[in-house]
Amino acid sequence: AQTVTQSQPEMSVQEAETVTLSCTYDTSESDYYLFWYKQPPSRQMILVIRQEAYKQQNATENRFSVNFQKAAKSFSLKISDSQLGDAAMYFCAYRSSNYGGSQGNLIFGKGTKLSVKP
Amino acid sequence: SQTIHQWPATLVQPVGSPLSLECTVEGTSNPNLYWYRQAAGRGLQLLFYSVGIGQISSEVPQNLSASRPQDRQFILSSKKLLLSDSGFYLCAWSGGVEQPQHFGDGTRLSIL
Repeated sequence: AQTVTQSQPEMSVQEAETVTLSCTYDTSESDYYLFWYKQPPSRQMILVIRQEAYKQQNATENRFSVNFQKAAKSFSLKISDSQLGDAAMYFCAYRSSNYGGSQGNLIFGKGTKLSVKP
Repeated sequence: SQTIHQWPATLVQPVGSPLSLECTVEGTSNPNLYWYRQAAGRGLQLLFYSVGIGQISSEVPQNLSASRPQDRQFILSSKKLLLSDSGFYLCAWSGGVEQPQHFGDGTRLSIL
């Protein structure tokens, strides 16, 4: 079975600085999808960025980018120019491309709580 | 554009009472639908998913059940709530297995 591990329960960053959140996963599959979701205090779960395992190029969405290391099974999230509104729980998630049984189900890590200091 | 609605936002129920949480999606047809539970300080745990009307798959044996009476409606139910059912419940939809999931605003359920 696949697992997702986020080893940093909490992180802190100064406003306008850069922070990197770590995520590792375990799988025997070669094709899959990885996601980062953000959950602010309002508790809404918001998709931040996605990465297809078959793509070597790291995904980027404005100030958010990932460092995808397939061999190392690592998928870190980098937030540049951090803003106060970035403060939230961040969840890393894995989804198999084996559609037969999972139907796109997500496997989540336990999350990293990010604080942004003014 | 697609939207997902989930209600109620907050619910306080006594032990042993029934439960019904509703989730609806607008702007799409035949979505995959999901129910997750998030316990305090933990990640999300998938409870149920559905790929079509009347088709429900359960990921964890528990006190809860799910139903999909209409294409874009997904309901989470219980006949008798337990203290351990407390948590934050999130509904999600996706356009297909290759598409990302989009979440509702969640329901905070407290059992007394």
